[in-house]
Amino acid sequence: DAMVIQNPRYQVTQFGKPVTLSCSQTLNHNVMYWYQQKSSQAPKLLFHYYDKDFNNEADTPDNFQSRRPNTSFCFLDIRSPGLGDAAMYLCATSRPQGTASTDTQYFGPGTRLTVL
Amino acid sequence: AQSVTQLDSQVPVFEEAPVELRCNYSSSVSVYLFWYVQYPNQGLQLLLKYLSGSTLVESINGFEAEFNKSQTSFHLRKPSVHISDTAEYFCAVGFSGGYNKLIFGAGTRLAVHP
Repeated sequence: DAMVIQNPRYQVTQFGKPVTLSCSQTLNHNVMYWYQQKSSQAPKLLFHYYDKDFNNEADTPDNFQSRRPNTSFCFLDIRSPGLGDAAMYLCATSRPQGTASTDTQYFGPGTRLTVL
Repeated sequence: AQSVTQLDSQVPVFEEAPVELRCNYSSSVSVYLFWYVQYPNQGLQLLLKYLSGSTLVESINGFEAEFNKSQTSFHLRKPSVHISDTAEYFCAVGFSGGYNKLIFGAGTRLAVHP
């Protein structure tokens, strides 16, 4: 089945130690997103790629970076994780079919990040 | 600025009872409205969406939602819930000119009890 895969499902890192989260998709979608979801809060968009075009949200901290080496893969890099970065990180994809805001987004299961 | 409010963080209900999960939004531009569902240990999945046309939209598993522009609401309803409907439900808004961006509510945890 076509899907969005996130690895690892659980990640533990130390304060200040760089960490990379991975997302891959077999849907061949143009757009890939990264969301941060803290406990009992709404998923919050960090950034997204439309093909190779990177779009950063204005309030995303510089500590968060992303790479998309090809259509299938997208990475989230946290350069110096702080305790406040502990959260669930969700990857999603979509295929534009007209007005972008109407597209269905397909989500992976998420990676839960713990910062010690 | 756009925002989404889900008024109930948790909704407990008995099996076969009706349920309504409330969602209100705020936006100064035209909106598109979505409900996503997240089952335990899974990613979010689209349940239904309103883009235009009929204000009542339905999902394949018996949920429906009605877009009410005057009340800026998009409440989700089901006349008879099952144990398998236990999940977290997220309301989301996309807006004209929003360029792929969805604003999510904080979610409502629906717990169906036998």
